[in-house]
Amino acid sequence: AQKVTQTQTSISVVEKTTVTMDCVYETRDSSYFLFWYKQTASGEIVFLIRQDSYKKENATVGHYSLNFQKPKSSIGLIITATQIEDSAVYFCAMRENYGSSGNKLIFGIGTLLSVKP
Amino acid sequence: NAGVIQTPRHKVTGKGQEATLWCEPISGHSAVFWYRQTIVQGLEFLTYFRNQAPIDDSGMPKERFSAQMPNQSHSTLKIQSTQPQDSAVYLCASSSGQYAEQFFGPGTRLTVL
Repeated sequence: AQKVTQTQTSISVVEKTTVTMDCVYETRDSSYFLFWYKQTASGEIVFLIRQDSYKKENATVGHYSLNFQKPKSSIGLIITATQIEDSAVYFCAMRENYGSSGNKLIFGIGTLLSVKP
Repeated sequence: NAGVIQTPRHKVTGKGQEATLWCEPISGHSAVFWYRQTIVQGLEFLTYFRNQAPIDDSGMPKERFSAQMPNQSHSTLKIQSTQPQDSAVYLCASSSGQYAEQFFGPGTRLTVL
């Protein structure tokens, strides 16, 4: 069964430091796609970064990067030089690549990040 | 560029009434998704359209919920005979293709009294 697990319910860091958020997933498919989104205090859900399972190189976008460990079914999000405005709930999501149901996103429960001055 | 537009942003209905939620996807996007977010269940998939055709409704409650996409510029989610447990934020997302990332609208907060 498809499943995405985020075990860290909340993380608090001091601004300008680096934070890593964990995510593990379960899938029966050999080809799949992994995403990270953030939800701001206003409720807006923003796409951050993606990793396609067939790519060996970790994705990087701005100050977001991924630590993709395929044998461990793990996709960690790394935020460097955190800023106060990075405070949000971060969701890990997976999309499989088979059949008509292979387009929906399966989300984790989210990790609340608080960045303090 | 306008993002995904959802209206209304907030809707309050009485138990047993009907609620219709609207979504306008990003222009040019061929795929439209509906999700629901609650504190208890988190973010759940409801249904998916590609090129206006219904592709996957595996997340839709079998009774009372229906979704349509009559044209490429809007989709609707209709809930008949709303119940308090239908209270949630309903989110619409669109993507440019089958393998592209999904972009979310601001959501409609439905409260059923």
